[in-house]
Amino acid sequence: DGGITQSPKYLFRKEGQNVTLSCEQNLNHDAMYWYRQDPGQGLRLIYYSQIVNDFQKGDIAEGYSVSREKKESFPLTVTSAQKNPTAFYLCASSIAHSRRDSSYEQYFGPGTRLTVT
Amino acid sequence: QQPVQSPQAVILREGEDAVINCSSSKALYSVHWYRQKHGEAPVFLMILLKGGEQKGHEKISASFNEKKQQSSLYLTASQLSYSGTYFCGTVENQAGTALIFGKGTTLSVSS
Repeated sequence: DGGITQSPKYLFRKEGQNVTLSCEQNLNHDAMYWYRQDPGQGLRLIYYSQIVNDFQKGDIAEGYSVSREKKESFPLTVTSAQKNPTAFYLCASSIAHSRRDSSYEQYFGPGTRLTVT
Repeated sequence: QQPVQSPQAVILREGEDAVINCSSSKALYSVHWYRQKHGEAPVFLMILLKGGEQKGHEKISASFNEKKQQSSLYLTASQLSYSGTYFCGTVENQAGTALIFGKGTTLSVSS
């Protein structure tokens, strides 16, 4: 079955530690995205990647880093510089990052709930 | 620019109708609608493209007024399964922009 996997579902870390969230897709999609979801805030874009070895900052990239070494993988690192890291993190992918056709539909993974204490 | 959704919450009985609105201060190329159930991932409902027609999905349809930068989602004869949070996402006319989501509208349908 094709889809997006995120692991783990729940993650607990101590303040000051970096943590990496996994996102893998087998949909052969070129574009991948990371969103952060907080209650009442909707989905806020952290980073996105249109193609391997290329990525762009979203609205709230500070304190986060990403890599895109393989088409199917787009890990997100939450660094100690992120002041409020506790949140629900969603990864998504689309066929292409093109506003000109319906292939822009995004498919979401199940999410990782990160708690930092 | 994050689109603005209204209302923030809607409470319905089964069979009732609802309208959720999404507006932007920017010229838009497309509007996307997603539904998220509690604790789950958002699921794509439909895309409305600039110059395109009104779209439909089961008893859920939507319109896109390009001149007003507004979109409305129409839920007809609501079912219990329609409960969840509805998000609109907008893509601005400017090339290279990403999909920006609104804060969501929570819909609760009871029997």
